[in-house]
Amino acid sequence: DTAVSQTPKYLVTQMGNDKSIKCEQNLGHDTMYWYKQDSKKFLKIMFSYNNKELIINETVPNRFSPKSPDKAHLNLHINSLELGDSAVYFCASSHPSGFNEQFFGPGTRLTVL
Amino acid sequence: DAKTTQPTSMDCAEGRAANLPCNHSTISGNEYVYWYRQIHSQGPQYIIHGLKNNETNEMASLIITEDRKSSTLILPHATLRDTAVYYCIAGHSGGGADGLTFGKGTHLIIQP
Repeated sequence: DTAVSQTPKYLVTQMGNDKSIKCEQNLGHDTMYWYKQDSKKFLKIMFSYNNKELIINETVPNRFSPKSPDKAHLNLHINSLELGDSAVYFCASSHPSGFNEQFFGPGTRLTVL
Repeated sequence: DAKTTQPTSMDCAEGRAANLPCNHSTISGNEYVYWYRQIHSQGPQYIIHGLKNNETNEMASLIITEDRKSSTLILPHATLRDTAVYYCIAGHSGGGADGLTFGKGTHLIIQP
């Protein structure tokens, strides 16, 4: 009964490859997010979607393309992976009304070699 | 979102109250104070939030000064499982699908 799940948990790949990270939430929330936590542990918002519509795109390179096939899913596709993309990526969701309580997934640790 | 300032790290003995301070002197009138924590190798977890009044839930209490320029998160009876990085965030309500702006947080270490 995991609320926000991500797959895979670990992803090791070579520079230049294309990879995807999947996120699913079973909370019935309308809003979903992607965050990146770098090696210095800074956690930064990348994207937010509300009802499958892109709301926030925080100066993320266009190699990163989020896709929301339905309200319960927000996947992150990354083209031409670079060393600097190595990080932990967290998906989150929230209900759009009321306060900003966000539920985070367990994270995906991406390592680019 | 207003900037917040927190101590880098704190220690607390198990079973005692842990008091984590946060300064947010530039907070605007419609910004809430949110607290999240991140236990090692896990995703952040919501703890509590408040606007003006003090708040309490099953996890913690939040004390906000009258001028709203600072706040304190209180974990009343800290356990070893409360060891984590605690983030104080000033932000709006979630209606706009706003992302949270995380700072460096306070690394709270509960000592046995």
